[in-house]
Amino acid sequence: DVKVTQSSRYLVKRTGEKVFLECVQDMDHENMFWYRQDPGLGLRLIYFSYDVKMKEKGDIPEGYSVSREKKERFSLILESASTNQTSMYLCASSFPGTVHFGDGTRLSIL
Amino acid sequence: LAKTTQPISMDSYEGQEVNITCSHNNIATNDYITWYQQFPSQGPRFIIQGYKTKVTNEVASLFIPADRKSSTLSLPRVSLSDTAVYYCLVGSNTGTASKLTFGTGTRLQVTL
Repeated sequence: DVKVTQSSRYLVKRTGEKVFLECVQDMDHENMFWYRQDPGLGLRLIYFSYDVKMKEKGDIPEGYSVSREKKERFSLILESASTNQTSMYLCASSFPGTVHFGDGTRLSIL
Repeated sequence: LAKTTQPISMDSYEGQEVNITCSHNNIATNDYITWYQQFPSQGPRFIIQGYKTKVTNEVASLFIPADRKSSTLSLPRVSLSDTAVYYCLVGSNTGTASKLTFGTGTRLQVTL
């Protein structure tokens, strides 16, 4: 079974902090994704990566950056956290065909 | 990039068949249609995938008309545990990454 692991299920940070969300997949997938999920808005794509050190902006990249130094790890970075970034963040990886998700990190910015 | 449109919510009684339709008018030739199920506090999980006509597995069926501009997920005899959000995803099945964009999903509520 494919496993996508997000480092934290719940995280509380303060406004202005630099926040790192980590994601690791164990199936050697080339493609990895970061989404955020808010009530009534569904899953919105922040960034995706199709190879090590390669990244593409999704639909809502503002206020975020990403890092992919190793194939199995994809990090989402909030450079200066703001309260409107309080959300559920979901990481995913894909092989042609299906997308596999982690269980999410619920991030609260106070 | 194929945008998808689904109903926001649906209600059903236990034991009924539920059909959820997704519109994807600008689906590309290489795109597959995949459906996901999401429970609260969990990531979405794969249900079924198809390219055209009909696909059936142990949990659902997927109907895709010839023009592929829509698809219908069919859940036979739903139970309370099928209460969840269902997402339709249209994307390429090739080796390069496609910008996999989900719609807002359909919230299915099953009651007794």
